Amino acid sequence: GQSLEQPSEVTAVEGAIVQINCTYQTSGFYGLSWYQQHDGGAPTFLSYNALDGLEETGRFSSFLSRSDSYGYLLLQELQMKDSASYFCAVMNTGFQKLVFGTGTRLLVSP
Amino acid sequence: DVKVTQSSRYLVKRTGEKVFLECVQDMDHENMFWYRQDPGLGLRLIYFSYDVKMKEKGDIPEGYSVSREKKERFSLILESASTNQTSMYLCASSTQGLGNSPLHFGNGTRLTVT
Repeated sequence: GQSLEQPSEVTAVEGAIVQINCTYQTSGFYGLSWYQQHDGGAPTFLSYNALDGLEETGRFSSFLSRSDSYGYLLLQELQMKDSASYFCAVMNTGFQKLVFGTGTRLLVSP
Repeated sequence: DVKVTQSSRYLVKRTGEKVFLECVQDMDHENMFWYRQDPGLGLRLIYFSYDVKMKEKGDIPEGYSVSREKKERFSLILESASTNQTSMYLCASSTQGLGNSPLHFGNGTRLTVT
């Protein structure tokens, strides 16, 4: 089977840097994705890592270590609008389906 | 922009009713998915489809069925609704790719079964 673990909640202040970790167990790992979901909204795609290392997209970066079955999402220069839930998701080499973690609620305060 | 449209934002049904949740995407995506989202449990995959008339069970298919008669439309069917199926249901679509094809989600249907 597949399982993903991420913290349930993280708090930070505006302007700070926060890291949301994700560890996973899966057979035939293909890649790790991150999605953001604001309250009442649809999840939206943030990033995808198939290879080890850091991928940077503006204020957000995502890291993957395949040997450690571990990844993280790094959010820099936090803004109030970054308050949302963040989900990691793994794709295995089976069919093209994503399995999601339970999500991390990020609360950004002034 | 990809648009995934779910027919209802809120739905209230009675126990035992047959319920249809409809989803339409406008980007000619091959893959379509139904997830349910519950507090503390994240998004759990119910069924997915990678082509017309094709369907695959996800992680929690019990009590559900699906239909994909046209490429743009993917329907989730609750044959006999039960209170434990009260949830937020999210439809998504993606192109066929090597894993880096992002899922595009609809805004969800919040179903309450009384």
